[in-house]
Amino acid sequence: GAGVSQSPSNKVTEKGKDVELRCDPISGHTALYWYRQSLGQGLEFLIYFQGNSAPDKSGLPSDRFSAERTGGSVSTLTIQRTQQEDSAVYLCASSSPGGVRYEQYFGPGTRLTVT
Amino acid sequence: AQKVTQAQTEISVVEKEDVTLDCVYETRDTTYYLFWYKQPPSGELVFLIRRNSFDEQNEISGRYSWNFQKSTSSFNFTITASQVVDSAVYFCALRGGYDYKLSFGAGTTVTVRA
Repeated sequence: GAGVSQSPSNKVTEKGKDVELRCDPISGHTALYWYRQSLGQGLEFLIYFQGNSAPDKSGLPSDRFSAERTGGSVSTLTIQRTQQEDSAVYLCASSSPGGVRYEQYFGPGTRLTVT
Repeated sequence: AQKVTQAQTEISVVEKEDVTLDCVYETRDTTYYLFWYKQPPSGELVFLIRRNSFDEQNEISGRYSWNFQKSTSSFNFTITASQVVDSAVYFCALRGGYDYKLSFGAGTTVTVRA
């Protein structure tokens, strides 16, 4: 079956512009996660969605970052007024319904470069 | 808070050598889950294994094996008879019993030379 898909695969933007990153989870997976991978910080958790519950936004680094999930499926991560330190690979993951033990399956990521 | 330490930054071996990747974790949870992921040059994180804290049985899958020891808070990963295709960054990760987010180690870059 299809895995997690993300678009675009690469995004170059100018400092100060807004960007939107998209994630399509595995069909039937109710949990969706965003992580960020950068050279200096490694892999960091950003936000978690579970079904229709309020998301856990505790990992978002600033109020310039926001995310939504429509219809319990596709998610969009938005970064407003991008800064150079936002340059990173943004990874989306999903997991099957149920308890916390279920492994997360990752998409190929979106490489964001802020110039 | 959860913490994962992968002390080895890079390992380089010649094909057919065995390589062991170390992972040490810290958690206050009595129930937790440990994971290994592989990130090849293509960039996608590939799930390899999940281990529950209440199951210390070691596991072997083909050339891969994992040694989980709660007494030393370690979850080490061995690749036997390494191949060039094993070249990747390997991440160890931890998830608390009532948590959902993964805490990753810094990763170990494995280079297998022909």
